[in-house]
Amino acid sequence: NAGVTQTPKFQVLKTGQSMTLQCAQDMNHNSMYWYRQDPGMGLRLIYYSASEGTTDKGEVPNGYNVSRLNKREFSLRLESAAPSQTSVYFCASRYDGVGTYEQYFGPGTRLTVT
Amino acid sequence: AQSVTQLDSHVSVSEGTPVLLRCNYSSSYSPSLFWYVQHPNKGLQLLLKYTSAATLVKGINGFEAEFKKSETSFHLTKPSAHMSDAAEYFCVVSGSGFQKLVFGTGTRLLVSP
Repeated sequence: NAGVTQTPKFQVLKTGQSMTLQCAQDMNHNSMYWYRQDPGMGLRLIYYSASEGTTDKGEVPNGYNVSRLNKREFSLRLESAAPSQTSVYFCASRYDGVGTYEQYFGPGTRLTVT
Repeated sequence: AQSVTQLDSHVSVSEGTPVLLRCNYSSSYSPSLFWYVQHPNKGLQLLLKYTSAATLVKGINGFEAEFKKSETSFHLTKPSAHMSDAAEYFCVVSGSGFQKLVFGTGTRLLVSP
């Protein structure tokens, strides 16, 4: 049981390049999330998916797109990377049982845009 | 809207002394509250959670937190710090609809020998 996995672990992009961050979970969770972490700002929600086939914007969605490919996988795409998108990106998932609101996080992707 | 304020950006303790990390929350309804820990260059791990059951919540690695509604606080404590406790700690409240989590800005715990 690997939990939440993310690829790649590290990435360096030039301004204007595109890339997709991959996330997968093997816990049969319905909800999945993408966050970015910047120094002194905690984690901010980019997009989330409450179930397969649905996605919703979070707090900071501009410059990003997402795809919920199936129940296991939730990808984040940067179409035209900007230096302001330099950050650590975390994927998380959550089981939708009553009273279970905690999320489980992957190890993160460290992205640098030059 | 829900929000969380972590009152200290850094806390320094000596090994073997008590740890107190402070958190105040704001919520328009009865919240679920969490503490997560992040070790350097790692992901976030759930330390403990409060979901309207017992107000004193015990977590992993000897940590505990007390939910105080009258003070809107959820402070994290540990009786005796260990070097391995050095990490960043996030206080988190469940957002609207419980789908989302709202994170505090984090408290970095430094433990000296």
